[in-house]
Amino acid sequence: DAKTTQPPSMDCAEGRAANLPCNHSTISGNEYVYWYRQIHSQGPQYIIHGLKNNETNEMASLIITEDRKSSTLILPHATLRDTAVYYCIVGSAGNNRKLIWGLGTSLAVNP
Amino acid sequence: KAGVTQTPRYLIKTRGQQVTLSCSPISGHRSVSWYQQTPGQGLQFLFEYFSETQRNKGNFPGRFSGRQFSNSRSEMNVSTLELGDSALYLCASSNQGQDTQYFGPGTRLTVL
Repeated sequence: DAKTTQPPSMDCAEGRAANLPCNHSTISGNEYVYWYRQIHSQGPQYIIHGLKNNETNEMASLIITEDRKSSTLILPHATLRDTAVYYCIVGSAGNNRKLIWGLGTSLAVNP
Repeated sequence: KAGVTQTPRYLIKTRGQQVTLSCSPISGHRSVSWYQQTPGQGLQFLFEYFSETQRNKGNFPGRFSGRQFSNSRSEMNVSTLELGDSALYLCASSNQGQDTQYFGPGTRLTVL
């Protein structure tokens, strides 16, 4: 499974967009990019995933570069409740139970 | 639907003892995965069970084992506990054919 690189921490002002980058330069053709977040003392929560096209749902947008070597998770209007550790992970669809999880990005949303 | 539940939420054991953790998946989910989370290592995959069979396994010693019952509930067991086994143990369930995993709140194990 490919590995990912994320900045250890980021800050964002409440109400502004939070853009969280992720590098996955060794991603293979059949591997998806998944994003989860973990709020303190809770289990991780699924956010979004994609293969090559940009994706959007009620929580966030996922922008994947054309070469698929990097992606950005966008929280359009960050709130204090979005303060969490965000994990970018890659793996094959249907077998994501062996995804390699890194240490993620700790996002602090400030009032 | 009720979410993934894990029991107990907190546990304190001493070295050499064994421990059993329990996970009840979301109703209808047949896949259950277990992860160990420590501050320095992040989430590490332990194993996955589907229909009572272990489908995938991570790189953990044989002291870590698990099983799944016919109602999809799962247990994991750690024998001969070591100080380094202190961690948050997370269980996640998913539906057949879907990629999204739903995590429980975890069991915080402390080994003294």
